[in-house]
This record gives sequence, structure tokens and C-alpha cells, in this order.
Amino acid sequence: AQTVTQSQPEMSVQEAETVTLSCTYDTSESDYYLFWYKQPPSRQMILVIRQEAYKQQNATENRFSVNFQKAAKSFSLKISDSQLGDAAMYFCAYNRYNNDMRFGAGTRLTVKP
Amino acid sequence: DAGVIQSPRHEVTEMGQEVTLRCKPISGHDYLFWYRQTMMRGLELLIYFNNNVPIDDSGMPEDRFSAKMPNASFSTLKIQPSEPRDSAVYFCASSRVWRGSSYEQYFGPGTRLTVT
Repeated sequence: AQTVTQSQPEMSVQEAETVTLSCTYDTSESDYYLFWYKQPPSRQMILVIRQEAYKQQNATENRFSVNFQKAAKSFSLKISDSQLGDAAMYFCAYNRYNNDMRFGAGTRLTVKP
Repeated sequence: DAGVIQSPRHEVTEMGQEVTLRCKPISGHDYLFWYRQTMMRGLELLIYFNNNVPIDDSGMPEDRFSAKMPNASFSTLKIQPSEPRDSAVYFCASSRVWRGSSYEQYFGPGTRLTVT
């Protein structure tokens, strides 16, 4: 079974600084999809960024970018120029063909003013 | 476009009572998912539907839980009878699969259920 591991239960960053959240996953498949979701205190799950495994280029969405290392099965999220509104739980997720998205346990990010 | 809509946002009920959670997926989405989130177990997939048909309900904890999707724009998750250990946040999510899609799921705001 596919598993997703987020080894950092909590992280903190100074406002305007950069922070990287780690995620590793276990799979024997070659085609799959990876996601980062943000869950602020409102508890709404918000899609931050997606990565298709067949794409070598790392995905970027404004201040959010990923470092996708397929051989190492690693998928980290980098947040640049951190803002107070970035404070939230961040979940890494793996999905193959829409039948069972697997989530990590989450990393709680605190942004210090 | 409206996102996934869930109701109620909060539900407080007494043990033994029936609870019904409701979800309206994003229009045009052909997959619908029900998740449960707790501190202890994180996000768990309970059941998902494709074109209104239940595909996998192996995550449903026990017979007290049931889910239906009578049409493409509405689904319910029912707990009868409810127990304190059912207290959690229940999310509905939907997605649309087409050639080249990335299978991302879009979540509703969740229903916080408290069973006393």
C-alpha cells in the first residue's frame, strides 16, 4: 500500500523568510500524482500545488514550489517570502488514479511576525 | 463557480441519535469522496462514488455508517445510531477526471460533528 510520511510535525518560519516542508512516499508505481494541501484554522482544505510524476520539471505556483525527486520518492514544498496567512497545517498527498488519495499526517507551520 | 457545499457546518447531537451530513459536489464532477478527520487518525477515506455509484466503501467504519448519492448533485452520509467516538470533522470532496487530468480533489468546508 502507498504511504505518505511527513517527518516534521511542526515547523516555524520568520515572516518573509523561506521554509521547506518535507514529504516522502512509498510506491511501486511509475505514474502517479502528488499534491500539497493547506488547512488553515478555518479547516478548509485548499489545494496548493500539484505534480505529475511523469513530469521532470518541478511545479511552481507563485511563492510555492516543489522539489520532486522521483528516485528518492521525495516531494518537498518550499514557501518563499512567507506571509502570516501561510500559517496552517500542510498535508502532502499521493494519488494514483483517483481511487484512494493518501495523505500524510501533516505539518503545522507557524509564521512569526 | 461554487465549490463543494456541505451542510450543516456544525452538528451537536446526543449518543444514539441519527445524524445526516449533506454534500453538493462541484457541478460537472464525476467523483465524490467522503473523508473523516480526527487528531488520532488524520484524514481517512470513508467511501467514494463515481457517476453516483459507490465504488469503494471499505473505509466505512461499521454498519452504523451509510452513504448515498441519489443524483449527480447530492450525497448524504448517515450515522445511525451515533456514538461519541464518531466525533470528528467530516469532509466531502469531488473531482473530475478527463484525459490529462491530475486527479486533484476539491474539498468542502467540512462538518464538525460532536456526539455527546
